Amino acid sequence: AQSVAQPEDQVNVAEGNPLTVKCTYSVSGNPYLFWYVQYPNRGLQFLLKYITGDNLVKGSYGFEAEFNKSQTSFHLKKPSALVSDSALYFCAVSPPRDSNYQLIWGAGTKLIIKP
Amino acid sequence: DVKVTQSSRYLVKRTGEKVFLECVQDMDHENMFWYRQDPGLGLRLIYFSYDVKMKEKGDIPEGYSVSREKKERFSLILESASTNQTSMYLCASKGGTVNTGELFFGEGSRLTVL
Repeated sequence: AQSVAQPEDQVNVAEGNPLTVKCTYSVSGNPYLFWYVQYPNRGLQFLLKYITGDNLVKGSYGFEAEFNKSQTSFHLKKPSALVSDSALYFCAVSPPRDSNYQLIWGAGTKLIIKP
Repeated sequence: DVKVTQSSRYLVKRTGEKVFLECVQDMDHENMFWYRQDPGLGLRLIYFSYDVKMKEKGDIPEGYSVSREKKERFSLILESASTNQTSMYLCASKGGTVNTGELFFGEGSRLTVL
């Protein structure tokens, strides 16, 4: 079965330190990969996506993500964390030939940035 | 500013009541989605629609129905609410006909069924 794993329920990082939120997937073919962020009591917002090309993609709010095909991973990164980055982060994967436009979602990782 | 608007942020209903959740988007998107979000389970797709009057079941359609009479509006209906439908409901829309586009989400509707 196709799946997306976010192995950490919660990640704690001190402000100013680099952060990584992990995502691995098990999807056939060459999927499209997405990261979304959810701030408290809000809907989800798109952060970035990988479709093809350069393995390092840059997105909103200084975030970036690295696609690693051999490890089937798409980890989210930021060089210097801000307290305002504290939120729930979701990784999502879209099978390229899925005609239903469906996404397979990870369970989410809560990111806490401490001052 | 593009927007997906969900009519109610918080609702409290009783078991057996009929519940309507409304969603409107102003981006002229073809595709609209209803998700359910529960802690530790991520997002689960209930129904989606790729055109007016068209609907497709998602992963967890049981106990729900939808209506899309106009392109901008997608409604989720709980015919007889049950306590296990207490959850956060998220509406989203997406333009185009390929899987490369991102979803635009509403703020969510938190439903409590007593």
